[in-house]
Amino acid sequence: AQSVTQLDSQVPVFEEAPVELRCNYSSSVSVYLFWYVQYPNQGLQLLLKYLSGSTLVESINGFEAEFNKSQTSFHLRKPSVHISDTAEYFCAVSGPYNTDKLIFGTGTRLQVFP
Amino acid sequence: EPEVTQTPSHQVTQMGQEVILRCVPISNHLYFYWYRQILGQKVEFLVSFYNNEISEKSEIFDDQFSVERPDGSNFTLKIRSTKLEDSAMYFCASSEPTLFGQGTRLTVV
Repeated sequence: AQSVTQLDSQVPVFEEAPVELRCNYSSSVSVYLFWYVQYPNQGLQLLLKYLSGSTLVESINGFEAEFNKSQTSFHLRKPSVHISDTAEYFCAVSGPYNTDKLIFGTGTRLQVFP
Repeated sequence: EPEVTQTPSHQVTQMGQEVILRCVPISNHLYFYWYRQILGQKVEFLVSFYNNEISEKSEIFDDQFSVERPDGSNFTLKIRSTKLEDSAMYFCASSEPTLFGQGTRLTVV
């Protein structure tokens, strides 16, 4: 069985500060990893994904995540956050096929303060 | 940019009534899913659908739930007799990559 742990339920941070949202997973098979963002009263938007290849993946809005197989982690980072980054962030795992269901973590609420 | 479309955005129903949630997946995708998110909780998998049949379902997806693709474009989730605990946001998704619709908020009263 697969599982995802997001240890931080809330992460408060000031604007322009760096942030890291932690995600650890457990799986007995090869994995695909995802980060989704959910703004208030909206759906889930795919932020970035790791399928294969380079372990460092980037999104178009400055977020990046690194797949670390030995530590079974896929932490999300951004060097300088904006007020508009305030949202709920969900880490998810699937596998061994990239069409398998997603197993989500409990989410991390990123709150950016001015 | 292609997107998954869900209707309605919000539905209120009385306990015991049947509801049908509708989704239009991305046209060239082959795998379809339903997930739900109870308010304040994590997103949970309900069912996956491929080649016009269920490929996997969770323990949540009991006999009260059913899915179908009636006309080759729509993908529906039916709850036969709704319960209060069915109140949640229901998300449709299609793959690959796994893209989600905006969700239907179901409120059972």
